[in-house]
Amino acid sequence: DTAVSQTPKYLVTQMGNDKSIKCEQNLGHDTMYWYKQDSKKFLKIMFSYNNKELIINETVPNRFSPKSPDKAHLNLHINSLELGDSAVYFCASSQEGGARRAFFGQGTRLTVV
Amino acid sequence: GESVGLHLPTLSVQEGDNSIINCAYSNSASDYFIWYKQESGKGPQFIIDIRSNMDKRQGQRVTVLLNKTVKHLSLQIAATQPGDSAVYFCAEDSGAGNMLTFGGGTRLMVKP
Repeated sequence: DTAVSQTPKYLVTQMGNDKSIKCEQNLGHDTMYWYKQDSKKFLKIMFSYNNKELIINETVPNRFSPKSPDKAHLNLHINSLELGDSAVYFCASSQEGGARRAFFGQGTRLTVV
Repeated sequence: GESVGLHLPTLSVQEGDNSIINCAYSNSASDYFIWYKQESGKGPQFIIDIRSNMDKRQGQRVTVLLNKTVKHLSLQIAATQPGDSAVYFCAEDSGAGNMLTFGGGTRLMVKP
């Protein structure tokens, strides 16, 4: 069974659209994350979330919002997509306080045209 | 601002040789320093970490060295294998906000 799974794996959409990426973890972890990896492979944290608090990287536009229906899921909603949003988005999870040993999903390649 | 960076974007080694991947960091307050491996088409995978009060930690075929004097982190891979080919990232955990700060990545290519 995949520990951290994301859907879809690939997403191509037009500018201005709203889209969501789903993430599920079956590891029983308390904390989930979203990372963005750009074309130069640079990885940047977007959000950290557990049932107590949402921590947002201040550089993330408010068009991006995480939604957690339950402890095992953290979905990423993106409104009014822009060309610059094209990237690979990774979901990850860890035990609370264990960000350094996070388990990552396989990524969702988002292409905005 | 604080950052974590790497000296070499690409490293090519012969199968069986040892590999050394380097990283410079600037945030002296980080609690942990971590190495991740990312294979093509996959997400990053935790390899090894080291607490800031240590200078060396060994795993299976990997060793991480931390030199706080010059703010330098390295990952040594012994007897490099084709399966080690990947992009390697250093990262730091400041302990605040449960977030990691990643460096820019080094691509390791293993020649048969």
